Amino acid sequence: DIQMTQSPSSLSASVGDRVTITCRASQGIRNDLGWYQQKSGKAPKRLISAASSLQTGVPSRFSGSGSGTEFTLTISSLQPEDFATYYCLQHNSYPYTFGQGTKLEIK
Amino acid sequence: QVQLQESGPGLLKPSQTLSLTCAVSGGSISSGNYFWTWIRQHPVKGLEWIGYIYSSGHTYYNPSLKSRLIISVNTSSNQFSLSLSSLTAADTAVYYCAREEPSTRTFDSWGQGTLITVSS
Repeated sequence: DIQMTQSPSSLSASVGDRVTITCRASQGIRNDLGWYQQKSGKAPKRLISAASSLQTGVPSRFSGSGSGTEFTLTISSLQPEDFATYYCLQHNSYPYTFGQGTKLEIK
Repeated sequence: QVQLQESGPGLLKPSQTLSLTCAVSGGSISSGNYFWTWIRQHPVKGLEWIGYIYSSGHTYYNPSLKSRLIISVNTSSNQFSLSLSSLTAADTAVYYCAREEPSTRTFDSWGQGTLITVSS
């Protein structure tokens, strides 16, 4: 299985801050990666596909980049509704595997 | 807008079999070439992809669960199901059904999740 390692596992930040979350794959996965946001008690919500394609309705302050083994999710100016847990998911090969998550908390 | 809704027993004992159903509304399970998927979220281990079924009945399972798992589809009822046998405490998790969009290979719709607890 492809292992997905996210860092940091948790992050404290303030409204207006720029934050970056990193996801590393144990082997090259091209750009076969999505990013998801999960709020407490809710299902994950898709943010980004193909490493950098913002999904319809997702604010433009979210962006993704990377290819191969290293990927990043950046939030350019944190808003109160962005405090949540973020997951990467590789779909390059089965079984699909998730990162362990990054919990973004208010400082 | 398609909606997914899981239903299941909530509490089971070790060695029992879990049966979950995902009802799909707002669209046909037979259209759009989607992959109808089960995902679970362990309290500590995080998110785990379980497997999918296509409307034709083709399946793909996570090898870690394959020996205990069956995913089936009922197109006339517009729902798909999961059966997981020989349960242990390690199967305690929130179980989600989700739809994988073929063009992006991402999950564009999710159920709200159902907590399954395995305990004697």
